[in-house]
Amino acid sequence: SQQGEEDPQALSIQEGENATMNCSYKTSINNLQWYRQNSGRGLVHLILIRSNEREKHSGRLRVTLDTSKKSSSLLITASRAADTASYFCATDNSTLGRLYFGRGTQLTVWP
Amino acid sequence: DADVTQTPRNRITKTGKRIMLECSQTKGHDRMYWYRQDPGLGLRLIYYSFDVKDINKGEISDGYSVSRQAQAKFSLSLESAIPNQTALYFCATSDFGGGQETQYFGPGTRLLVL
Repeated sequence: SQQGEEDPQALSIQEGENATMNCSYKTSINNLQWYRQNSGRGLVHLILIRSNEREKHSGRLRVTLDTSKKSSSLLITASRAADTASYFCATDNSTLGRLYFGRGTQLTVWP
Repeated sequence: DADVTQTPRNRITKTGKRIMLECSQTKGHDRMYWYRQDPGLGLRLIYYSFDVKDINKGEISDGYSVSRQAQAKFSLSLESAIPNQTALYFCATSDFGGGQETQYFGPGTRLLVL
């Protein structure tokens, strides 16, 4: 499978804490993206990091990419209850021009 | 108004019935996709279309067919529904702008096959 795999499958934290999710993948990529899904709803694009980038920030989100280890991490700082959702990584294989999604990390942030 | 819409939002059908799920987009994107989501399995690609004349099978196309009626419309049909096709179905679009495949998802159709 060319899917990314997120780790952990589930994460439960208190508001104010940081949440870190990891993604590993198998093939070379053009870029890696993170998406968020609120329960039962469509996925929403959060952030994209290109294969030649190592770190990227967007608000409370920080994404890192290590192409030598074929892995990425998503850090959400100062989490809020509203961050409760599933988070998916998706890899873009430039040869095929389509995305491969992982199975997601279910994040629960307790007030 | 939402950029990517799906109809119906919920559907209950019986085994053996043919049903169609519809997707429309106002984003002007050439690329459209159909995924299904099952608990614990993430998103799996059923079919995708890079333009009106281009249709490609994804990982799990058996039992499904699609029609790209226009740039803005991409429908998914279940020829003869079976219970293990019970799932949440998503349509998505992208424009592959600058070589970057960011996708925009519809709200989903929840399908129950009895």
